[in-house]
Amino acid sequence: SQQGEEDPQALSIQEGENATMNCSYKTSINNLQWYRQNSGRGLVHLILIRSNEREKHSGRLRVTLDTSKKSSSLLITASRAADTASYFCATDAGGSARQLTFGSGTQLTVLP
Amino acid sequence: DADVTQTPRNRITKTGKRIMLECSQTKGHDRMYWYRQDPGLGLRLIYYSFDVKDINKGEISDGYSVSRQAQAKFSLSLESAIPNQTALYFCATSDTGGASPFFGPGTRLTVL
Repeated sequence: SQQGEEDPQALSIQEGENATMNCSYKTSINNLQWYRQNSGRGLVHLILIRSNEREKHSGRLRVTLDTSKKSSSLLITASRAADTASYFCATDAGGSARQLTFGSGTQLTVLP
Repeated sequence: DADVTQTPRNRITKTGKRIMLECSQTKGHDRMYWYRQDPGLGLRLIYYSFDVKDINKGEISDGYSVSRQAQAKFSLSLESAIPNQTALYFCATSDTGGASPFFGPGTRLTVL
């Protein structure tokens, strides 16, 4: 079963606008990660936020984590057409296996 | 050269055939993983390996087997392929320190 559920499933915005994607999960986590996937290609790691962190920034990316609500959001500011991709959250429940449980993803389309 | 390589990148086969997907890495990571991705879904873990002598089943191991031939090589086999194994398959690696997994480019497998 998939732990993370992204919302919305699809998002279409104009270039320059901000894009917000949400992720909810069910069990306790060690950290939560966001990945990007261009159509049919491999995943690229974007950012990791640990369970004791509430907000993290990386360039135009801002991630928040609310462990009480078991949710996270990814904000992409000043979006560009090149940001068009699928975005996945993945939770790491800790333990020795370092397994990630992925959500079903948000398909972001940025229109030029 | 890519850190994680997968071969083949694309494969079309018929029901009942045996298929092997190979993954090799130059990152020196101990841990290797096989995931599958179905259209519109996130990744699901098939098998993972801590080291050459340690193999573990993931969420969806039925119908698959793996072999860790060396620290750098982890192969996934479908003994008798079936159409619902048509998917995108990703290999990933991580070190024991718990760094975020590094994904290969993926293998697109179609079972007719």
